[in-house]
Amino acid sequence: GDSVTQMEGPVTLSEEACLTINCTYTATGYPSLFWYVQYPGEGLQLLLKATKADDKGSNKGFEATYRKETTSFHLEKGSVQVSDSAVYFCALRTSAGRRALTFGSGTRLQVQP
Amino acid sequence: DVKVTQSSRYLVKRTGEKVFLECVQDMDHENMFWYRQDPGLGLRLIYFSYDVKMKEKGDIPEGYSVSREKKERFSLILESASTNQTSMYLCASTGGLAGARSSYEQYFGPGTRLTVT
Repeated sequence: GDSVTQMEGPVTLSEEACLTINCTYTATGYPSLFWYVQYPGEGLQLLLKATKADDKGSNKGFEATYRKETTSFHLEKGSVQVSDSAVYFCALRTSAGRRALTFGSGTRLQVQP
Repeated sequence: DVKVTQSSRYLVKRTGEKVFLECVQDMDHENMFWYRQDPGLGLRLIYFSYDVKMKEKGDIPEGYSVSREKKERFSLILESASTNQTSMYLCASTGGLAGARSSYEQYFGPGTRLTVT
């Protein structure tokens, strides 16, 4: 079945440091890939997505590239801010079958001033 | 502004009680979902519905049931709450009919943190 593997957290960084959160997946067919973010006390919101190989999703300074050859979708940001502190979830959805997302376990990011 | 609302942010219930969690979306979406979120496990799908009165089991349906009488409302029911159902429950919705494209975004509610004592 489909699955998503994320690096375990928490990840603790100083402000303006570079961020990479690794995400790899296993899926049948050709999935769409997503990064969702959950700020403290809130639900999940879509951060970025990519729908086919070599697509790059980007939003709020975050980027992720759909790498079919390595089945990866790593999240990157060049300079993090305290306000980026949150839990980040990698997820996928295939067009076949059910329309639910398959999520990774989440990675908590803590950015210190 | 799109919106998914959940009836309670925090809920405390006793073992054996029947619990109802309500979710309402205002986007006229066909598909609605219930997930539970637990530390280290991410989000796991409990049930989903792709149309009024239609439902399908997700990955962890045991101990839960659902109801969808109207398009905008999707209820999760814990028939007899147990302590292992203490969790954060998230409702989501997405558009698209059967065979919908995989790229459609899911919109999430704020979550209900349920504690069963």
